Parts: sequence; structure tokens; C-alpha cells
Amino acid sequence: NAGVTQTPKFQVLKTGQSMTLQCAQDMNHEYMSWYRQDPGMGLRLIHYSVGAGITDQGEVPNGYNVSRSTTEDFPLRLLSAAPSQTSVYFCASSKYRGQGYGYTFGSGTRLTVV
Amino acid sequence: KNEVEQSPQNLTAQEGEFITINCSYSVGISALHWLQQHPGGGIVSLFMLSSGKKKHGRLIATINIQEKHSSLHITASHPRDSAVYICAVRPPQGGSEKLVFGKGTKLTVNP
Repeated sequence: NAGVTQTPKFQVLKTGQSMTLQCAQDMNHEYMSWYRQDPGMGLRLIHYSVGAGITDQGEVPNGYNVSRSTTEDFPLRLLSAAPSQTSVYFCASSKYRGQGYGYTFGSGTRLTVV
Repeated sequence: KNEVEQSPQNLTAQEGEFITINCSYSVGISALHWLQQHPGGGIVSLFMLSSGKKKHGRLIATINIQEKHSSLHITASHPRDSAVYICAVRPPQGGSEKLVFGKGTKLTVNP
């Protein structure tokens, strides 16, 4: 099915552990991004990419790394998990540099850091 | 002040009522998105618009670029419309592709 696939859907980590949230899309979208959603805060941009090999920081990048080795994949790495990173994470993709292109969101990853 | 403001924050309606959710923004945009998020669920894009009005089923979205305002209307509301509705704006072309989000409007439709 065409769309954005996020894995895992749920994850519990201990403080200090590392993990990678996976995001893949099969729509040949150039633009991919990671957001976190916290109660009362709305969606906040963590990192984004406008193409393979190109990444940039968003509003809340600290504690997260990304890479974009292919057009399809945009993994988000938590290097040393902290309770403040407990959140719901969404990956989204879009065509780039064009009006008329909507965003497609993944189903989300609910992460708890204890 | 947030760049994207939604009102109301919470809305409770009876089944069949006409619903209006508002979004005001203070920045220049190339497009505005309305998104829907059901409890515990993912985010679905409902509309993307840069001018005028769009309609899909019982949902209607309008935008007034001069007034920097958009509305999402739901006609003949149904309990399955209960969700959080999020407004997001896309910067002008040539700038960053980062969406700026409102905090959402939580809609509850009672049977």
C-alpha cells in the first residue's frame, strides 16, 4: 500500500538506551520530516530532509539524529533516551518545492521512556 | 503569540449540528492544511488549499488570504466526526518547507 510506514507502533525504553524509529515511504517524495506530539503543545518539527543526503534541524532537534541515505527511508535515532522524550512521534512526507502537494503522515510511534 | 491560532480549543455538539472550526495565522503562506486525528490514531490530511473553498462529502474548507483566516465546516455532524482537527500552514514557495501547526480543536459529537 502506498503511504508512509512507521515502525514500531509502541516502544518502552529505559533512560539511557538508544533506539531507531523507522520511517519509509513509497511515493517518491523528496521531503520527509519527523514531528513529536505532546499534550497541549501541538506538533513540533524535530528534523527534516529535502532529499537523499540532505538533512536539517527543526524546532526541537536536541537528542535526536537523522540520516537520509535513500529517498525512501528517513530513520530517527535517539542516542540516549530521556524521560523528556516520552511522546508520540510522527513521520510525514511530501513532494518538495511545489504548490498543490499535500502531506502524508505515518500512523505514529508511541514512545515511553522510564 | 503563536503563528497559527485555532478556535475553539474544545467543541461539543449534538449529532446533526453544523460545526465550524476557525484558524487564523500571522505569517505568509503558500498553502493551508486541515488535518484530522482520531483518538489514539494517526493523522489524516483532509484538505490543502491556497484560495477559495474545497468540499469533500460533509466537510467544507474555506480560506481568505487577505484576512489570513480559514474555516473548516462539518455539515450534519456525526459521532464518528469526533476527533482533533489541526490547522497547519505551509511557508511561501522558495522558503522552508516546514509546516507550522495550530494546537488543534478537539471535537466531540454526541449521539
